[in-house]
Amino acid sequence: SQTIHQWPATLVQPVGSPLSLECTVEGTSNPNLYWYRQAAGRGLQLLFYSVGIGQISSEVPQNLSASRPQDRQFILSSKKLLLSDSGFYLCAWLRRRQGLAFFGQGTRLTVV
Amino acid sequence: QKEVEQDPGPLSVPEGAIVSLNCTYSNSAFQYFMWYRQYSRKGPELLMYTYSSGNKEDGRFTAQVDKSSKYISLFIRDSQPSDSATYLCAMSASIGAGGTSYGKLTFGQGTILTVHP
Repeated sequence: SQTIHQWPATLVQPVGSPLSLECTVEGTSNPNLYWYRQAAGRGLQLLFYSVGIGQISSEVPQNLSASRPQDRQFILSSKKLLLSDSGFYLCAWLRRRQGLAFFGQGTRLTVV
Repeated sequence: QKEVEQDPGPLSVPEGAIVSLNCTYSNSAFQYFMWYRQYSRKGPELLMYTYSSGNKEDGRFTAQVDKSSKYISLFIRDSQPSDSATYLCAMSASIGAGGTSYGKLTFGQGTILTVHP
């Protein structure tokens, strides 16, 4: 069965510090991978998605970047965090044949 | 106009009530329709999914899709306090030739449900 791992679960970082959130998927190959952010409201904002190694599409221009160095690894980064980067970050992979997404447990980022 | 609109709630019901959660959409290309349940401080978990129009039942949960009206619903019977969560609808359309591959999901804003004892 497929599993998705995301870490860390919580993170408190000062303004201006770098960020690296990692997500890995097991049990599937060549998945579509996604980074979402969920702010104080309930909606999910799509930040980045990737259909393969080194292929990154950005949905919202901002202070963040993403990379996919390996087939089942997806990394969300920032060189300098802003207060507005605080939120709940979710990684997901997509079962392409049905368009079903499966999420990690999320990282709650607080920028202070 | 957003592609997917979801009744924002919040919704508060007594234990045992029937709950109805709804979403409307504008993109007629959507083919898979999903409901996710998200507990506080956790990632969303896939609750149910339906392909095209029709009903699907799983225990106390029933998902309905009416493509002619571009309307989907999730019904929860005999609601329990453990059903208290945020419920998100989501939809996907096929991409590329053949219609066998799907790309991004489009989510509703979520409905917060509280079932009180």
